[in-house]
Amino acid sequence: DAGITQSPRHKVTETGTPVTLRCHQTENHRYMYWYRQDPGHGLRLIHYSYGVKDTDKGEVSDGYSVSRSKTEDFLLTLESATSSQTSVYFCAIRGQGAGANVLTFGAGSRLTVL
Amino acid sequence: DAKTTQPPSMDCAEGRAANLPCNHSTISGNEYVYWYRQIHSQGPQYIIHGLKNNETNEMASLIITEDRKSSTLILPHATLRDTAVYYCIALNTNAGKSTFGDGTTLTVKP
Repeated sequence: DAGITQSPRHKVTETGTPVTLRCHQTENHRYMYWYRQDPGHGLRLIHYSYGVKDTDKGEVSDGYSVSRSKTEDFLLTLESATSSQTSVYFCAIRGQGAGANVLTFGAGSRLTVL
Repeated sequence: DAKTTQPPSMDCAEGRAANLPCNHSTISGNEYVYWYRQIHSQGPQYIIHGLKNNETNEMASLIITEDRKSSTLILPHATLRDTAVYYCIALNTNAGKSTFGDGTTLTVKP
């Protein structure tokens, strides 16, 4: 989607290896989010950020860490990937102010942990 | 954010109006109702939002009850391309957290 990109789009890794997913925005939005989506289920919030170096946990944060060292990048790290973390990961951005609170999602990153 | 409840699935005939309900009985006064949809495995896309007044745009209409405890998304003339998962969320625009439920899978049939 315009203004937000995720990388990599697809990744296959083995149990126990570290994995980092990157979300990059060009909109200068304050809020950034990481969600995971498993087959037949909705989006579950992992972590979110409300500014540089400001992050908070979501519903399913165990096993994940995040970092935001600059406005445009929000990194999601799996320190030691497990098969239960096989999922599609979506990043989203959100601005502030009247009419600007719409979430814009990236195209998703499909992660397979063998 | 207030919890929202939606039926897991609905069917609609092509060309007819699709009415998707959402319950948000614990919504607070500063929470808006937002609707998104997700087609196949793409990222969700914004449809419409409102606070207490009914809203309409080129995609849909949003009807919010007077007590704000529920809302209905209306797709006036559903097409096969409207088959998707529809999510209703309650969002405090002054807070950061944005959580989704499981949504409603709408299937538009010929």
